[in-house]
Amino acid sequence: ETGVTQTPRHLVMGMTNKKSLKCEQHLGHNAMYWYKQSAKKPLELMFVYNFKEQTENNSVPSRFSPECPNSSHLFLHLHTLQPEDSALYLCASSQVGAASTQYFGPGTRLLVL
Amino acid sequence: AQTVTQSQPEMSVQEAETVTLSCTYDTSESDYYLFWYKQPPSRQMILVIRQEAYKQQNATENRFSVNFQKAAKSFSLKISDSQLGDAAMYFCAYRSGDSNYQLIWGAGTKLIIKP
Repeated sequence: ETGVTQTPRHLVMGMTNKKSLKCEQHLGHNAMYWYKQSAKKPLELMFVYNFKEQTENNSVPSRFSPECPNSSHLFLHLHTLQPEDSALYLCASSQVGAASTQYFGPGTRLLVL
Repeated sequence: AQTVTQSQPEMSVQEAETVTLSCTYDTSESDYYLFWYKQPPSRQMILVIRQEAYKQQNATENRFSVNFQKAAKSFSLKISDSQLGDAAMYFCAYRSGDSNYQLIWGAGTKLIIKP
């Protein structure tokens, strides 16, 4: 596969469940990002990893836990979520550097019941 | 803090016609990058075009071009010969030229193509 892939594409979970979202990039990039996209709101940056090191955490609740084992893989571990966490979660990757362009995966549509 | 404003929540255009989507931004920086992304119903966010602030020439990608007015802090997207496949949400985004890699996003414009 090429580009940025995300699994699963859709996820329904209860508030007591634990689940993980996976992102993989095949572009040789060294920076990866998690975004949250809710209806009628601009995209919200959640986490940034550069060379596997977390460089941004935009005041995200601890029920979201990112993991970046290498430059090609990014996970978002979810536990005890709330219904307001239902959203589209987008992963992106880029080269490190302000001039780089971010490329996005297809997203995971999450519904928390 | 930088902000990005897309004042048109929704636009419609007849197939084969031309449409312009507006975007304005607020910044005190001189070095930055601007982007237009497209998000069709499939939800995949796709880069349409990017512009470096230091370049005076407007970026062009096939039927897509921008009108970059740095003094006015305006970055509009023109789509020529609109096609049904252009129907999507279009997002304008700003990125600082310093070490902060965060993209600042507009709220988006929904583009409807009428056959």
